[in-house]
Amino acid sequence: DTAVSQTPKYLVTQMGNDKSIKCEQNLGHDTMYWYKQDSKKFLKIMFSYNNKELIINETVPNRFSPKSPDKAHLNLHINSLELGDSAVYFCASSQRLQSSYEQYFGPGTRLTVT
Amino acid sequence: GQQVMQIPQYQHVQEGEDFTTYCNSSTTLSNIQWYKQRPGGHPVFLIQLVKSGEVKKQKRLTFQFGEAKKNSSLHITATQTTDVGTYFCAGPSMKTSYDKVIFGPGTSLSVIP
Repeated sequence: DTAVSQTPKYLVTQMGNDKSIKCEQNLGHDTMYWYKQDSKKFLKIMFSYNNKELIINETVPNRFSPKSPDKAHLNLHINSLELGDSAVYFCASSQRLQSSYEQYFGPGTRLTVT
Repeated sequence: GQQVMQIPQYQHVQEGEDFTTYCNSSTTLSNIQWYKQRPGGHPVFLIQLVKSGEVKKQKRLTFQFGEAKKNSSLHITATQTTDVGTYFCAGPSMKTSYDKVIFGPGTSLSVIP
């Protein structure tokens, strides 16, 4: 039983296309996150949701739009993809919003924009 | 702004040698977490430290939180090939009204068999 799952695992697409990544957690956690990891391994938070409510919205282009239909799901839609969007995107969840709770990461989605 | 730094960025060791990575924050941290990411994998939580001067051990791994709660270290004794990966420290951001975790840039460990 995978605790945090993401689909797809790999995504190869052309510039200008729109794509979505889906994330689901079966841990009963309140909080979910999207992170972007670049080629240098930097993990940068993009968004966090707590009980379906957007809490953190870092300096991310408007082309990125998260959606949380329920507490167990957090999807990421990206419009008009650019070369610089190529990265690994991780979904994560934690029991509560506070930083003292450990985060459980999904397997990642490797996005390649050509 | 608040920063969480890690040194070294990369470390190559012979199997059996010890390894240490250091994490430094520009501000005092209420807690610090450590994660490990294997090549091609995802970050996995290792441990959290909360108290000033706290030391915790997990088999060959020793984690320490500084007295001033601004730095931390992870020491691995007698490295094995299974220790290969990137080790991240993470601490809460103090510059926002909400609780947010900032990850350090990581230390990538290579173990030569």
